[in-house]
Amino acid sequence: QLQLQESGPGLVKPSETLSLTCSVSGGSISSSSYYWGWIRQPPGKGLEWIGTIYYSGRAYYNTSLKSRVTISVDTSKNQFSLNLTSVTAADTAVYYCARVRRVIAVPGADGMDVWGQGTTVTVSS
Amino acid sequence: QPVLTQPPPVSGAPGQRVTISCTGSSSNIGTGYDVHWYQQLPGTAPKLLIYANSNRPSGVPDRFSGSRSGTSASLVITGLQAEDEADYYCQSYDTSLSGVVFGGGTKLTVL
Repeated sequence: QLQLQESGPGLVKPSETLSLTCSVSGGSISSSSYYWGWIRQPPGKGLEWIGTIYYSGRAYYNTSLKSRVTISVDTSKNQFSLNLTSVTAADTAVYYCARVRRVIAVPGADGMDVWGQGTTVTVSS
Repeated sequence: QPVLTQPPPVSGAPGQRVTISCTGSSSNIGTGYDVHWYQQLPGTAPKLLIYANSNRPSGVPDRFSGSRSGTSASLVITGLQAEDEADYYCQSYDTSLSGVVFGGGTKLTVL
């Protein structure tokens, strides 16, 4: 059974870079049937899509975050990563990674069927 | 403001039926992109509840059903149970934003 696990620092200082990794087990990240995504949820608020990546390395980003976000994939380690630069308190959230179904070649159009448990990141000095 | 609009908190007694709507526009649901629904129990990660408008993943009870029409979609829960108390989110794809969009979420309380 496929499992996703987020990892990374729980505390990041303002203006620094938030870096998280999602490790995929029980399946291959190189499957042509899926994309892989990051989603976040600020305390007490709703879900916000951050971006999606295909195993080829092609990435797609939320336009509101695009200038600060980089998502990368390492197929040899079966994991993908998120970098968010110049963080502020507004980036404090639970960050989830998820497997994104790929029925049509529109990243995210087909839903996210497996989610990690989430990791809490606080931006504070 | 979320691109997809969901109603304020809803509630129902055990055994009742509730409907949660998700209103989009011509650049997302109205374009024909599918709507997906997620259930988020307190303190846990979201779980895919309905995909492609009306399909249930394996293990999801048939008390949960979904539909899409025009620029809107609906999630219907029948025979409410205490364990259905959760936040529910709709999700689609938006061509103007070229990305995934979520609704703001609707909290369901089982009385």
